[in-house]
Amino acid sequence: DAGVIQSPRHEVTEMGQEVTLRCKPISGHDYLFWYRQTMMRGLELLIYFNNNVPIDDSGMPEDRFSAKMPNASFSTLKIQPSEPRDSAVYFCASSPGTDTGELFFGEGSRLTVL
Amino acid sequence: AQKVTQAQTEISVVEKEDVTLDCVYETRDTTYYLFWYKQPPSGELVFLIRRNSFDEQNEISGRYSWNFQKSTSSFNFTITASQVVDSAVYFCALSRIQGAQKLVFGQGTRLTINP
Repeated sequence: DAGVIQSPRHEVTEMGQEVTLRCKPISGHDYLFWYRQTMMRGLELLIYFNNNVPIDDSGMPEDRFSAKMPNASFSTLKIQPSEPRDSAVYFCASSPGTDTGELFFGEGSRLTVL
Repeated sequence: AQKVTQAQTEISVVEKEDVTLDCVYETRDTTYYLFWYKQPPSGELVFLIRRNSFDEQNEISGRYSWNFQKSTSSFNFTITASQVVDSAVYFCALSRIQGAQKLVFGQGTRLTINP
């Protein structure tokens, strides 16, 4: 079975550029999450969706960050304009419709902003 | 507010040794879930276990065991007879029962098993 698929795996960009990270959740999962992992702050929940609807975006750091889920099989996390402090590994995760807390993570997208 | 503390940043042991990873949590909720996730070198986090705050029974799964003590707000994880493949970063996490999808993670413990 295909797991959560993220792209790109690695992205190096310059400050000020737009960055788009993509995620394909596991088919049939109703929840989709975006997490950010840094050495300083650990794993932070940025936003999560239920049935394509954003439920909680309180973790989105600022207006430069936006996330969309146009359909059940695709989500994007966009940073515009990017800054060096956005450098991190961004994880997408999905979960079935039950409220279990068992998340299935992708392998992450490592972003470096120069 | 909810908080998870993993005081051990890094642990290094020799293969076949037993090792315990500590996790202490804070929450005002009377009911909650506790989790352990493993992050191998490939990067993705892998779910290991979920415990309900109602159930303080220890759990064993092969070489893995978990000790939940509500009195000390701890949920420790022990690997018996460690193997090189156990090398990974391990995260403890906490959530509410309702809204269990919103996990609060600890900072993680990097475990290295040396041959």
